[in-house]
Amino acid sequence: DTEVTQTPKHLVMGMTNKKSLKCEQHMGHRAMYWYKQKAKKPPELMFVYSYEKLSINESVPSRFSPECPNSSLLNLHLHALQPEDSALYLCASSPSDRGYGYTFGSGTRLTVV
Amino acid sequence: GENVEQHPSTLSVQEGDSAVIKCTYSDSASNYFPWYKQELGKRPQLIIDIRSNVGEKKDQRIAVTLNKTAKHFSLHITETQPEDSAVYFCAASNPGGGADGLTFGKGTHLIIQP
Repeated sequence: DTEVTQTPKHLVMGMTNKKSLKCEQHMGHRAMYWYKQKAKKPPELMFVYSYEKLSINESVPSRFSPECPNSSLLNLHLHALQPEDSALYLCASSPSDRGYGYTFGSGTRLTVV
Repeated sequence: GENVEQHPSTLSVQEGDSAVIKCTYSDSASNYFPWYKQELGKRPQLIIDIRSNVGEKKDQRIAVTLNKTAKHFSLHITETQPEDSAVYFCAASNPGGGADGLTFGKGTHLIIQP
């Protein structure tokens, strides 16, 4: 298995909802990442987990809460989002904390209404 | 932190011609430089990468060059084809500094004219 799998592919949620994005990889990668990408913009780093520990949090609002239950899974819990949070959320993984060899998932297209 | 500048933002070339996209970075500790291709609505896909101990790397029609002294690197695509049309992102990171994310350039929209 050489893929990063993200679910759901599309999500529409209201500003009072709570939802979660899921990411899974079975390549034995020990670093996992969440990126946010707005239309016609580059991906922006949100969180980095290295060996299941949060190592980077790029000053992301607390309405986004990451979780890494084990080395294969990464979640992003969403609560009280704003319409400007609508974007493509990309998960990625790399073999180690060296950062080489990123693999991106297909992303979750999130719309906040 | 790292800052990556990418030019041009849009590049239109005739099919069969070459395309060159250039990036500069600010952090001299960065030593890994991947290039990603992203088609509309799809994930970024790694097309080629280079590490700082190498000046040039080639894979069929795609090549990347790196000048560490000047802190810039470039993507070269030869014999362009319609399927090369996409947004291309350069990126930089310092993996030796521990787990780190990639810092991306703003992207280049490459248009191949038939």
